[in-house]
Amino acid sequence: GENVEQHPSTLSVQEGDSAVIKCTYSDSASNYFPWYKQELGKRPQLIIDIRSNVGEKKDQRIAVTLNKTAKHFSLHITETQPEDSAVYFCAASPWASKLTFGTGTRLQVTL
Amino acid sequence: DTAVSQTPKYLVTQMGNDKSIKCEQNLGHDTMYWYKQDSKKFLKIMFSYNNKELIINETVPNRFSPKSPDKAHLNLHINSLELGDSAVYFCASSQDSAGGRDEQFFGPGTRLTVL
Repeated sequence: GENVEQHPSTLSVQEGDSAVIKCTYSDSASNYFPWYKQELGKRPQLIIDIRSNVGEKKDQRIAVTLNKTAKHFSLHITETQPEDSAVYFCAASPWASKLTFGTGTRLQVTL
Repeated sequence: DTAVSQTPKYLVTQMGNDKSIKCEQNLGHDTMYWYKQDSKKFLKIMFSYNNKELIINETVPNRFSPKSPDKAHLNLHINSLELGDSAVYFCASSQDSAGGRDEQFFGPGTRLTVL
């Protein structure tokens, strides 16, 4: 089955700096890669996703890049703000409905 | 107007008891899921139903039994609860329209504590 690795497990950045979270996946059949944000005590919520026919996608301060050859994808957050502090999860889907999540990255944005 | 709702929000019980968690979605989605999030925040799929049919059944003890009376509801019944079952259980739903994977909408979670 699919295996998703995520790094780093924790990340601390100063407000205004950029943050990058990286994930690798194992199943070459995976073709959908969402990113979820989970604030403390809250539910995971989708922030951005990318499909395998696209190499990069951007939505305001967040962007995701995908390298299918290397089987890795990354989340980039620019101009970080305190409200970006949360746990971020990457995921990969080799077929309809089945998402395999990474182990999560706790992002702390300090003032 | 909550999209995906779960009850109860908190559940504290003794080892060996049987308990149920209920989930409902009003999004008209075809697919529903149960996830377990442990103390280390690992988020792992347990089950998935599409139009009341079981389509994903991960390696989960058979003490866990999902039931989908209709496509808007997916309940989770747990028999003979063990300490290791303590976790947050999330229900989710997605449309899964033909040709693509769709956003999964999560419920607020049920924090289960087994004493």
